[in-house]
Amino acid sequence: DAMVIQNPRYQVTQFGKPVTLSCSQTLNHNVMYWYQQKSSQAPKLLFHYYDKDFNNEADTPDNFQSRRPNTSFCFLDIRSPGLGDAAMYLCATTTGVGTEAFFGQGTRLTVV
Amino acid sequence: GDSVTQMEGPVTLSEEAFLTINCTYTATGYPSLFWYVQYPGEGLQLLLKATKADDKGSNKGFEATYRKETTSFHLEKGSVQVSDSAVYFCALSDRKNGGFKTIFGAGTRLFVKA
Repeated sequence: DAMVIQNPRYQVTQFGKPVTLSCSQTLNHNVMYWYQQKSSQAPKLLFHYYDKDFNNEADTPDNFQSRRPNTSFCFLDIRSPGLGDAAMYLCATTTGVGTEAFFGQGTRLTVV
Repeated sequence: GDSVTQMEGPVTLSEEAFLTINCTYTATGYPSLFWYVQYPGEGLQLLLKATKADDKGSNKGFEATYRKETTSFHLEKGSVQVSDSAVYFCALSDRKNGGFKTIFGAGTRLFVKA
């Protein structure tokens, strides 16, 4: 059974039109991450939550925001998507440092 | 800051060949080390891990040993199969400034020919 679920698997949005990607987990893990992965590149950490504590990477554009209303759900909001934001977005969870990350299947975002 | 460097791909092997994918890391603390595998269109899956020096992680015929003296975590498999074709990511996990981070290498694409 899927433990980290991302919806939708594929999202097409218009240039400049806000879009939200969602992630849910059944593992009750404290930490949730959002990564951006462009073709043939490593996943790039955008931000993560430890419980309700939000940690933003220094080079994450302001265009990207996140919300974690409860332990199970985390959202990625892209306020004004540009063509350069087209990528696979991966959600992951862990219990904490030193433990493996559990990944969702990803949402592939296309900007037209 | 922490970083992971792995050999560039793609790596192309014939079935039953020996595989090595090199990975080295830099970290100020004592990270845990991982290998993840990604199949086309999918998220990442944990392949194996090691949490302290000299630990050996193993799974599905793959092995990697945490070498603190050389800051390395090379992935090996004695006999690859076509089904092993995928992208392999070396990663470390460490606590930084009160937060928790998993950092990935650039990935190495493996093609196995029948």
